[in-house]
Amino acid sequence: ILNVEQSPQSLHVQEGDSTNFTCSFPSSNFYALHWYRWETAKSPEALFVMTLNGDEKKKGRISATLNTKEGYSYLYIKGSQPEDSATYLCAFWPGANNLFFGTGTRLTVIP
Amino acid sequence: DGGITQSPKYLFRKEGQNVTLSCEQNLNHDAMYWYRQDPGQGLRLIYYSQIVNDFQKGDIAEGYSVSREKKESFPLTVTSAQKNPTAFYLCASSIYGNNEQFFGPGTRLTVL
Repeated sequence: ILNVEQSPQSLHVQEGDSTNFTCSFPSSNFYALHWYRWETAKSPEALFVMTLNGDEKKKGRISATLNTKEGYSYLYIKGSQPEDSATYLCAFWPGANNLFFGTGTRLTVIP
Repeated sequence: DGGITQSPKYLFRKEGQNVTLSCEQNLNHDAMYWYRQDPGQGLRLIYYSQIVNDFQKGDIAEGYSVSREKKESFPLTVTSAQKNPTAFYLCASSIYGNNEQFFGPGTRLTVL
């Protein structure tokens, strides 16, 4: 079982604040890194799939960067809104059949 | 609408009983997966199947069984051999060879 760590475990921010959190993964056997967003009572939804070192992806106010050499990815949310409240999961794919998930960062945006 | 359905949303069972969780997808995906989530832990893979009539154990397969008789369906049976069955169970699917997974809404199983 590969170790994928996310920090912080939970985060409370005020509406309008920008925030970021981290996913750390093994730097060897890297094929892809996924970010998922999981709202309460809903299914996890894919945000980004990142494959190349230095990749930057953006979707609206959410963006992500990837450093495969040092084994980390950052997820940024600019101008947080209450609807951004969710758990953000990252998952590491080493090229085999399994995705290895982190424990998630639970974000709460306070209006 | 294409998607993955899991039923029921909540399930209660007595200790010692087997219970089967349903997962159906109409995305025409070849691969399907079962995960378990416990508080403070990431999703852990129980079983996965890449094609009909074939499946592989994941990291925590003990006490669970699956079948894949149809492409659309991948039911998970939690047997009495599973020591701590109370958990949240998520089903997912993907196109074969593509690791991006699509998830169902989950089933919360409580064993009394």
